[in-house]
Amino acid sequence: EVQLLQSGGGLVQPGGSLRLSCAASEVTFGIYAMAWVRQAPGKGLEWVSGIGFSGRDTYYADPVQGRFIISRDNSKNMLYLQMNSLRVEDTAVYYCAKDLRAYGGHENAFDIWGQGTLVTVSS
Amino acid sequence: DIQMTQSPSSLSVSVGGRISITCRASQAVGKSVSWLQQQAGNAPKLLIFAASTLQSGVPSRFSGSGSGTDFTLTISNLQPEDSATYYCQHSYSTPPTFGRGTKVEV
Repeated sequence: EVQLLQSGGGLVQPGGSLRLSCAASEVTFGIYAMAWVRQAPGKGLEWVSGIGFSGRDTYYADPVQGRFIISRDNSKNMLYLQMNSLRVEDTAVYYCAKDLRAYGGHENAFDIWGQGTLVTVSS
Repeated sequence: DIQMTQSPSSLSVSVGGRISITCRASQAVGKSVSWLQQQAGNAPKLLIFAASTLQSGVPSRFSGSGSGTDFTLTISNLQPEDSATYYCQHSYSTPPTFGRGTKVEV
């Protein structure tokens, strides 16, 4: 079964930058779309960004549009989230998540999740 | 964006009991709804996808139904390990949105 191992995160001041990484254990990583989902302390789940299986197509939630950049390196089975101009309201546990169906298929879902990494934005 | 309205927000039930959690989409989403379970301190876990398909390894006492705008997660014969927060999520369009969650105490 695919496993997703996250790294990065930590404490950063408002306006700062941080990069999250997500390493997939399976060689078929490159046929699945991926996403980042976050959860503010004591709150629910919020989709942040998604990327197609090839990396060509990227999508962002309105609150992070223009500040965050999602990318992937299929040769290394890696997913990234570059977070710039961080705000206090970006404080959350960030999860990477894998699509259930290959090639962005119909009636999809997030079937594998990383362990989560805490990002704290505070002065 | 499609909104997912989930209810109830919390409930308490005895071991062996049965519950239903509902989710209503703000527009029709076909069967593009999944249900996730999140136990305290853990990452979410997929239970149901395509509204009613049980994910591999998930006990059969979890079931899902619905299409269009109205969806239901039913859990029967509740066990202590089912204490968790449950979320619905649509994947019909971007952004995929989640319900606000239902906290279940067994």
